[in-house]
Amino acid sequence: QVRLQESGPGLVQPSGTLSLTCAVSGDSISSSHWWIWVRQPPGKRPEWIGEIFHTGGTNYNPSLKSRVTLSLDKSKNQFSLELTSATAADTAVYYCVRDRLSSHWGQGTLVTVSS
Amino acid sequence: VMTQSPATLSVSPGQRATLSCRASQSLSSSLAWYQQKPGQAPRLLIYGASTRVTGIPARFSGSGSGTEFTLTISSLQSEDFAVYYCKQYNHWPLTFGGGTKVEIK
Repeated sequence: QVRLQESGPGLVQPSGTLSLTCAVSGDSISSSHWWIWVRQPPGKRPEWIGEIFHTGGTNYNPSLKSRVTLSLDKSKNQFSLELTSATAADTAVYYCVRDRLSSHWGQGTLVTVSS
Repeated sequence: VMTQSPATLSVSPGQRATLSCRASQSLSSSLAWYQQKPGQAPRLLIYGASTRVTGIPARFSGSGSGTEFTLTISSLQSEDFAVYYCKQYNHWPLTFGGGTKVEIK
């Protein structure tokens, strides 16, 4: 059974860097899947942040592209998100997801950007 | 741009619910539907506009192609009251609709 689990700070300072990790179990991130980050501000629709293929190829949402980096750590079977220059608008529940059809989601982690 | 209507749908248990999703450009059949309950991640119900995920009850059905799509819940059960999102995966970036909240009437 595939499981994804997000981890990282729940509070980020304005202008700081939001960093999250997704630990994957029940599958290998070296398998042929897209590994994805989606966020959902409170009361709003989900937003696709970006995706990384098992080869390391990436696609980023143009609205966030200048601030986002996704990476893989195959030794730990996890993938990560970094979002720089954080503002209050980045406050959201962040989900890690497997594949574009998104049948497997992590439970989500709330990240608040505030001083 | 993905637009869902109505924003809120009040339905009595056992009644039918019809949710709409409109795309600003053609998606062919690259449209999925998700159900989200408070405090939970979205759950995939339908993909390819009309293919039900294994384990999803038959009362959920999807239809449409191009720019107009519909999710129908034939007889609402108590566990179906939730927010439903459509998502297109034909164009980058993938985008979600604004959601329809199905509430108890």
